[in-house]
Amino acid sequence: GENVEQHPSTLSVQEGDSAVIKCTYSDSASNYFPWYKQELGKGPQLIIDIRSNVGEKKDQRIAVTLNKTAKHFSLHITETQPEDSAVYFCAARLMDTGRRALTFGSGTRLQVQP
Amino acid sequence: NAGVMQNPRHLVRRRGQEARLRCSPMKGHSHVYWYRQLPEEGLKFMVYLQKENIIDESGMPKERFSAEFPKEGPSILRIQQVVRGDSAAYFCASSPRPEYEQYFGPGTRLTVT
Repeated sequence: GENVEQHPSTLSVQEGDSAVIKCTYSDSASNYFPWYKQELGKGPQLIIDIRSNVGEKKDQRIAVTLNKTAKHFSLHITETQPEDSAVYFCAARLMDTGRRALTFGSGTRLQVQP
Repeated sequence: NAGVMQNPRHLVRRRGQEARLRCSPMKGHSHVYWYRQLPEEGLKFMVYLQKENIIDESGMPKERFSAEFPKEGPSILRIQQVVRGDSAAYFCASSPRPEYEQYFGPGTRLTVT
């Protein structure tokens, strides 16, 4: 099955700096890669996603890049703010129509220091 | 438009009791997914259901766990004879179509004493 590895496990940045979180996946058949933000005591919130026919996608301060050849994708947050502090999860999903489950990475705890 | 709703938000059960977790998907969504999150870990897929059908239960433990999504009413994840290792946060997600985004509820935090 699919396996997703995520790095780093913790990340501390100063307010205004950029933050980058990286994920690799194992199954080349995966075609959908979402990123979720989880705040303490809450459910994961979808913040951005990318499909395999696109190399990069941007939404204001957040961007995701995908390298299908290398099987890795990254989340970029620019001009970080204290409210960006949370745990971020990457995920991947197979193309198989019978298997719609997301496989998640282990998470990155981002701390933005004011 | 209300999001995915889950209840109860917190559930405490003694070993050997049954736990019933409920999930109401977003309006217009007929696809439901259940995930389990252990402390300090990522989410692990359990089961994927469409109205009245289990599509994929490859992540569900073979014993004590069951799920349903009836024609009317919420999806239910049922855990019989709970053990301490079942303590976790259980999240459900919904989507309008299987290839679309999944939106998560706030979760049910199960504690087995």
